[in-house]
Amino acid sequence: DSGVTQTPKHLITATGQRVTLRCSPRSGDLSVYWYQQSLDQGLQFLIQYYNGEERAKGNILERFSAQQFPDLHSELNLSSLELGDSALYFCASSVEAGVGMWDEQFFGPGTRLTVL
Amino acid sequence: AQKITQTQPGMFVQEKEAVTLDCTYDTSDPSYGLFWYKQPSSGEMIFLIYQGSYDQQNATEGRYSLNFQKARKSANLVISASQLGDSAMYFCAMREGLGTNDYKLSFGAGTTVTVRA
Repeated sequence: DSGVTQTPKHLITATGQRVTLRCSPRSGDLSVYWYQQSLDQGLQFLIQYYNGEERAKGNILERFSAQQFPDLHSELNLSSLELGDSALYFCASSVEAGVGMWDEQFFGPGTRLTVL
Repeated sequence: AQKITQTQPGMFVQEKEAVTLDCTYDTSDPSYGLFWYKQPSSGEMIFLIYQGSYDQQNATEGRYSLNFQKARKSANLVISASQLGDSAMYFCAMREGLGTNDYKLSFGAGTTVTVRA
């Protein structure tokens, strides 16, 4: 158990719908990362938040958005869903010890999204 | 361009034998970190081992060791004395810009390892 929690574990929805994925980082971790794992794209970085502020952006679609709340939990919002959005969405967290320090990213169990 | 290349889609290994998983990377950044993660069939991502670009010695962590050849830009994972529980997908990942606040990981396509009894 990494200490990172994600809900829900599974989500089945229809095209055009909107869903929200939730992530609670490990206690003490200030950074939250979202990754998407799909069969055709592999594991891709979507976005990172640090202490409530967006830190880095990757291959995140405009239909997707995220935020990190004062209690450090994060939500990933996916809207106007398409079949191709079906994937395993991971949240990871790290303490972010400082610039120049490496930080192990601890991954949550993932949310499996199926768009029908 | 692909930052991380894992050329072995799948491998079989006999229990108690060693297996080497290949990983090559592409970066012009002098400061980077290389990570290996294990993903069992249950889906979670488990951190295994880390190697920094300036580390002089190859990283080791229990039965896992990293064969880091900087000039060849390779960071192969060696699993010694394979166990049935090692059957999983293994991902090589890289983080560039260790002197910055950019902490994102770039992953390879993964290698599936199946350990045979």
